[in-house]
Amino acid sequence: GAVVSQHPSWVICKSGTSVKIECRSLDFQATTMFWYRQFPKQSLMLMATSNEGSKATYEQGVEKDKFLINHASLTLSTLTVTSAHPEDSSFYICSARAVLSYSYNEQFFGPGTRLTVL
Amino acid sequence: AQTVTQSQPEMSVQEAETVTLSCTYDTSESDYYLFWYKQPPSRQMILVIRQEAYKQQNATENRFSVNFQKAAKSFSLKISDSQLGDAAMYFCAYRIRAGGTSYGKLTFGQGTILTVHP
Repeated sequence: GAVVSQHPSWVICKSGTSVKIECRSLDFQATTMFWYRQFPKQSLMLMATSNEGSKATYEQGVEKDKFLINHASLTLSTLTVTSAHPEDSSFYICSARAVLSYSYNEQFFGPGTRLTVL
Repeated sequence: AQTVTQSQPEMSVQEAETVTLSCTYDTSESDYYLFWYKQPPSRQMILVIRQEAYKQQNATENRFSVNFQKAAKSFSLKISDSQLGDAAMYFCAYRIRAGGTSYGKLTFGQGTILTVHP
């Protein structure tokens, strides 16, 4: 149980185009999803927190018009990289928070999406 | 703001031996969680172990155990009987337990690359 999927797993696009990445919780409802960015051999950097039915909360320094996040349902959040440029090339990871108990809500991570912008 | 520091960029261990990964953190909160995550070459984030700050007893999961020193804000991971499959990047992470704007947000350390030699 508690599986999170991401689609696509790998995408290559031309500079100036937009790319959408989907994050789905397959067997649980996720009121909150998180989007991270990771460069090779570096840590995960939180980009934004996505709550179902409300606007995403972006971390300082993250351009909300560049990285559009939509959390349309309890099982789906999408990240759209608009007008992508080579510097947006990175590994994007989502996680979904599951309510497992009164006191503890574990996060489950998706397998990640590798974005390459040419 | 909370910070998590892993001072060992790389560590190596012989198969069947024991290795300890270090982590320190800084927070003004008293109630929080600490985690160790493993990221193998597949880049799927895997939860290794979790520690609640209010618990004095160190968490243990099979071959993985932690040494949690709350006053020193130290949280090290010990891997016993190391196996080839333990080779990965390991991240220490912090999360506040209470609600509010930071609820559910994970703060990661820089990561430690663990190599296991046969």
